[in-house]
Amino acid sequence: DIQMTQSPSSLSASVGDRVTITCRASQSINNYLNWYQQKPGKAPKLLISAASSLQSGAPSRFSGSGSGTDFTLTISSLQPEDFATYYCQQSFSTLTFGGGTKVEIK
Amino acid sequence: EVQLLESGGGLVQPGGSLRLSCAASGFTFSSYAMSWVRQAPGKGLEWVSAIGGSGVSTYYGDSVKGRFTISRDNSKNTLYLQMISLRAEDTAVYYCAKLSRRGIVSGAFDVWGQGTMVTVSS
Repeated sequence: DIQMTQSPSSLSASVGDRVTITCRASQSINNYLNWYQQKPGKAPKLLISAASSLQSGAPSRFSGSGSGTDFTLTISSLQPEDFATYYCQQSFSTLTFGGGTKVEIK
Repeated sequence: EVQLLESGGGLVQPGGSLRLSCAASGFTFSSYAMSWVRQAPGKGLEWVSAIGGSGVSTYYGDSVKGRFTISRDNSKNTLYLQMISLRAEDTAVYYCAKLSRRGIVSGAFDVWGQGTMVTVSS
C-alpha cells in the first residue's frame, strides 16, 4: 500500500503569512494527488485535484505543485478563514490520506 | 444541487452490526464511483471502502476487510455500508463521498455528506 506522509503535523502562523505544507508518497504516484481543507465539525472540502488543479470556488491564494513522490500545498497569504486542518490524498492506487496538518493562529 | 445524506449511525455493542446508508441526489449516481471515509474522534481521515458505478468492483481498507461490505442500489440512488463484528476502534464519523472521475474508482472526493456517527461501546 502507498503511504502518505505530511509535514508538519501542525504549524502556527499569522494572518498574511505564506504557508507551505508538504506531502510525500512512499512511491511515485505521478500527479494523482489531491488536497482537502477540513474545519472542526465539518466535512472535508476538496481544494486541489491532480496536484495543481484548483477547484471551482476555491480562493486563488491556494496552489499545489509537485509530481512523483513530493508535493506541496501553498497558501500565499493566510486569511482568518484558512485556519483549519489540511489533508493530502493519493488516488494512484486505492485511496490513501496523509495524516493531516493543522494550521493554527499564532 | 449535488447532495449526499448519510443515515444509520448510532451506538452499538462490540461484536455488533450496523448498516449505514447514503442517499444521493443532483447527479447521475450510477455513473460515479462512491466511497466511505471515516474519522475517529480527534484523528485524521481514513479511507474505508469504495465501489464502482455498476457495483461490481469493490475495494476495502485493510482495517475493515472481511468485516465491512459496501454496496449500492442505483435504482434508489443509495450507497450502503454493512458493518459486522464491530470493534471499539471502529468508532468514528462515517462520511459518504463521491469520486470525481466517471466510471472508475479513482480521482478526488469532490462531494461529501455531513457524516454519521458510529459509536462502538458496551
